[in-house]
Amino acid sequence: EAGVAQSPRYKIIEKRQSVAFWCNPISGHATLYWYQQILGQGPKLLIQFQNNGVVDDSQLPKDRFSAERLKGVDSTLKIQPAKLEDSAVYLCASSLGGSYTAIVGYTFGSGTRLTVV
Amino acid sequence: TQLLEQSPQFLSIQEGENLTVYCNSSSVFSSLQWYRQEPGEGPVLLVTVVTGGEVKKLKRLTFQFGDARKDSSLHITAAQPGDTGLYLCAGGSGGSNYKLTFGKGTLLTVNP
Repeated sequence: EAGVAQSPRYKIIEKRQSVAFWCNPISGHATLYWYQQILGQGPKLLIQFQNNGVVDDSQLPKDRFSAERLKGVDSTLKIQPAKLEDSAVYLCASSLGGSYTAIVGYTFGSGTRLTVV
Repeated sequence: TQLLEQSPQFLSIQEGENLTVYCNSSSVFSSLQWYRQEPGEGPVLLVTVVTGGEVKKLKRLTFQFGDARKDSSLHITAAQPGDTGLYLCAGGSGGSNYKLTFGKGTLLTVNP
């Protein structure tokens, strides 16, 4: 079974520039999550999709961050404009959802490491 | 907002030693999961505990869920260098829209 694919692996941009990250979840996984992990901290949920609908985006800084999951499969997370404090690893995870996730958890991608200079 | 506190934040030990890491919250979770994350990779699930008081063993790792389902511990016996990594606990909630809230993690280094 193929894992969760993310690209790019690394990105360096200047502040005020824009950047986009891509995620391809495990086939058949209805739920997709984007997490932000700042160095030395645990992952923080940015947005949760169920198929192509947003379930929770309460911690997404909507003035600069946006995300979409067209056709309920791949997802893109965008930052525009980037700030220095956005430097972090952006992790995508997927799961079948609901009670199944409560037992078998998420499958994470390897993440995209963003450095804003 | 549900918060998970992990302790210690950093732990450096010698091969063969035992260790315990703790995960505490003021909130009740429907389940609690432990993940291990290696540098440059995403977290990987180690175990899920669901029932208060539950104990699960995975080779040299022992996981316990508190009776009130608010806290958990991870005990490693005879640690090996391959156990090095960031250990994250995560509390689950949300029913059909299940999602995990992560602690800050315990960074474990096992020296040969």
